[in-house]
Amino acid sequence: KAGVTQTPRYLIKTRGQQVTLSCSPISGHRSVSWYQQTPGQGLQFLFEYFSETQRNKGNFPGRFSGRQFSNSRSEMNVSTLELGDSALYLCASSLDWDSTDTQYFGPGTRLTVL
Amino acid sequence: SQKIEQNSEALNIQEGKTATLTCNYTNYSPAYLQWYRQDPGRGPVFLLLIRENEKEKRKERLKVTFDTTLKQSLFHITASQPADSATYLCALRRGYGGSQGNLIFGKGTKLSVKP
Repeated sequence: KAGVTQTPRYLIKTRGQQVTLSCSPISGHRSVSWYQQTPGQGLQFLFEYFSETQRNKGNFPGRFSGRQFSNSRSEMNVSTLELGDSALYLCASSLDWDSTDTQYFGPGTRLTVL
Repeated sequence: SQKIEQNSEALNIQEGKTATLTCNYTNYSPAYLQWYRQDPGRGPVFLLLIRENEKEKRKERLKVTFDTTLKQSLFHITASQPADSATYLCALRRGYGGSQGNLIFGKGTKLSVKP
């Protein structure tokens, strides 16, 4: 079974631009979560989608948004990029919307904002 | 708010020794703790889960303990190998059921096993 895939793997943008990241969950998984990972803050929860609905959102500004499609694939968007948005963005999928389900992480998208 | 701390940013040990990583938390006791392994350039990989009513969990060379009195979890790797070198993250869950957003991660401990 293929794992979680994320595209692109690397991205370089400049301040003020916007970016869209994509995540394909493991086949059959319906829940997708997004995380931001930085050396200073560690792994921080952005949002979670299940059945095309956002079920939970972390403490991030409205510039961060996401969506999920009917095939469970998900995208996240960051508008008006700031230098501090440079991070590894990780997507994780799980079978269902249940916190006891194991999460399977993708390799991440490394975003650099210049 | 709940805080989770992994005491060491880095841990260096000799091959064959037991590596012990520490995860401490403040405030309320979590429903359970998870441990993940993360290699450079990759996402975290789930290793073990231990619930609040469990004292110890084992999986091959891995052992996790959970002490709700000390508010601490210890993660042991016995007979460590250079291939065990990675960053290990602990994460705690505030309650059962519901969103994965209730999972709070520590910043990780980078383990280096020297041959």
